Amino acid sequence: EVQLVESGGGVVLPGGSLRLSCAASGFTVRGDYMTWVRQAPGMGLEWVSIIYANDGTYYGDSVRGRFTISRDSSKNTLYLQMNSLRADDAAVYYCARVGLNVLGHDAIDLWGRGTLVTVS
Amino acid sequence: SYELTQPHSVSLDLGQTARITCGGDGFGTKHVHWYQQRPGQAPVLVIYGDSNRPSGIPERFSGSISRNTATLTITGAQVGDEAVYFCQVWDSSTAVFGGGTKLTVL
Repeated sequence: EVQLVESGGGVVLPGGSLRLSCAASGFTVRGDYMTWVRQAPGMGLEWVSIIYANDGTYYGDSVRGRFTISRDSSKNTLYLQMNSLRADDAAVYYCARVGLNVLGHDAIDLWGRGTLVTVS
Repeated sequence: SYELTQPHSVSLDLGQTARITCGGDGFGTKHVHWYQQRPGQAPVLVIYGDSNRPSGIPERFSGSISRNTATLTITGAQVGDEAVYFCQVWDSSTAVFGGGTKLTVL
């Protein structure tokens, strides 16, 4: 089954760090563009970061310099290292795949169920 | 930075046609994608590349685009279609989401 399963969320103090993991099955994270999207309680979707198949990375303005996206092909897992966390980083963090290899388009075609990060 | 504008909410009676708009400053070569998010669930892709339906999405979901407005149309809306709908484009390697439209089916 093709799926993404996030883990690593929890409660962290302001200024603290957390690393989110996203285990993929049914496809390889190395061959696809992978992205993180977050959603604060009761709010809309906010894009966080993307890693391309060629290892290029991009970040949203609000997290650039504090968050780092990476992947481990041997574990078929995507990561998001989050440092210097702030109250406004609190959200459900979704791991997702950009479906270029499936759809031939850059839509996000596969989402995990999300992991909750609380900064307090 | 690029912005997408959606109405906050749309309400309609069961079986009517819902049209949810997404405004942008000239889409140009950008492709618009639409996601459905039911309460407590992750988003689901319902339209990609302006007007394409992924496998498993009912035919009552369709998409269209003009120069400044993309539209998600749900023909014969059902109670199960109640959700928040987000449009999205990529702008210089950055994903941009609209604020979301809450669809209520009465």
